[in-house]
Amino acid sequence: AQSVTQLDSHVSVSEGTPVLLRCNYSSSYSPSLFWYVQHPNKGLQLLLKYTSAATLVKGINGFEAEFKKSETSFHLTKPSAHMSDAAEYFCVVSDLGYNKLIFGAGTRLAVHP
Amino acid sequence: GAVVSQHPSWVICKSGTSVKIECRSLDFQATTMFWYRQFPKQSLMLMATSNEGSKATYEQGVEKDKFLINHASLTLSTLTVTSAHPEDSSFYICSAREGGLNQPQHFGDGTRLSIL
Repeated sequence: AQSVTQLDSHVSVSEGTPVLLRCNYSSSYSPSLFWYVQHPNKGLQLLLKYTSAATLVKGINGFEAEFKKSETSFHLTKPSAHMSDAAEYFCVVSDLGYNKLIFGAGTRLAVHP
Repeated sequence: GAVVSQHPSWVICKSGTSVKIECRSLDFQATTMFWYRQFPKQSLMLMATSNEGSKATYEQGVEKDKFLINHASLTLSTLTVTSAHPEDSSFYICSAREGGLNQPQHFGDGTRLSIL
């Protein structure tokens, strides 16, 4: 069975400093992995996706993630945080066998001036 | 591209009434649509998956007679909460996927449902 673990429920950074949101997954075969962002009272916006092409995936708003099969990780990074990045972030794996997404518990990112 | 519109964004109604929520893919044809429920400060819980023209597949524990899903076309799915009660109050989010299983889902902005 596939699963996703987001290692931090809350991350707090200062504006202009790097962001690291950690995600580990388990999968019995090559997964498709996604990062989504959710602002308060909004739906989810796709940041980036990995679907067995390049292991370093670049997304919107300066975010990127690296797929590391040996570590079963898909951590999300950004070189310099903006105040507008404050939101909830979800790491998601696609369960191909069951036609659905498996969500991590989410990481709330706070950005301080 | 890949815009999903969900309507209404907020709804308040009396206990016992039925509420319909619409989910539309505006610029693509959605082979599959999904309905989620999200409790405060929690992740999304999948309620059901629907393919155009066929019956929805409900997750374990979700009452199909309570949450009626219709996917009448490749761009529209509806969720009707029948005989709503206060415990049905929640944030409901739909998503739509174009194409195969490894394609991303695109999400609507959600509907905040409050039952008085």
